[in-house]
Amino acid sequence: AQKITQTQPGMFVQEKEAVTLDCTYDTSDQSYGLFWYKQPSSGEMIFLIYQGSYDEQNATEGRYSLNFQKARKSANLVISASQLGDSAMYFCAMREGPGGYNKLIFGAGTRLAVHP
Amino acid sequence: SQTIHQWPATLVQPVGSPLSLECTVEGTSNPNLYWYRQAAGRGLQLLFYSVGIGQISSEVPQNLSASRPQDRQFILSSKKLLLSDSGFYLCAWRTSGSGEQFFGPGTRLTVL
Repeated sequence: AQKITQTQPGMFVQEKEAVTLDCTYDTSDQSYGLFWYKQPSSGEMIFLIYQGSYDEQNATEGRYSLNFQKARKSANLVISASQLGDSAMYFCAMREGPGGYNKLIFGAGTRLAVHP
Repeated sequence: SQTIHQWPATLVQPVGSPLSLECTVEGTSNPNLYWYRQAAGRGLQLLFYSVGIGQISSEVPQNLSASRPQDRQFILSSKKLLLSDSGFYLCAWRTSGSGEQFFGPGTRLTVL
């Protein structure tokens, strides 16, 4: 069963506008972590933001924020004031359990294109 | 600061040939290390992880193997490559105190 679902294969946004990338997850663990990574065309995976299941406030990192809705099991990434350099693949990932081996399960990704 | 290296950056190998990909981490000690594979246009699939020297756990049955001969060195190998082994291989590390994983630049493998 798929544990991380990203339903948007591709998204377009105008430069300077905000965009939301969707991510839903499935787990029976009470303690887990959610991550977003950016993968530009160069292939490197860049860590963007992290949300712990017990964190009461939504995580924010600069222009990135994570809209965490625990009851709906969603962890959407919001990018504000989009820039041309934001064009990339974006992956949502989940770590099950409190830590330990910290294995990450990745979604299929969303390709974001920022238009001038 | 911590740095993770992978080599080679690209590799083209014939079917049936052996494989050795290397990953090294600098600036940290006793990291958890991971090998992922990414097929074209897909997400990442965890192949192996290691919590210490000589300790390897396999996630997916396949003709690949991994070894960790030193604390900050992680090697992915195969005795005979298959066409389906083509992909983008990423190494990652994580310290025990943090949640996120940090990735290397990757190796793009093409098996012909």
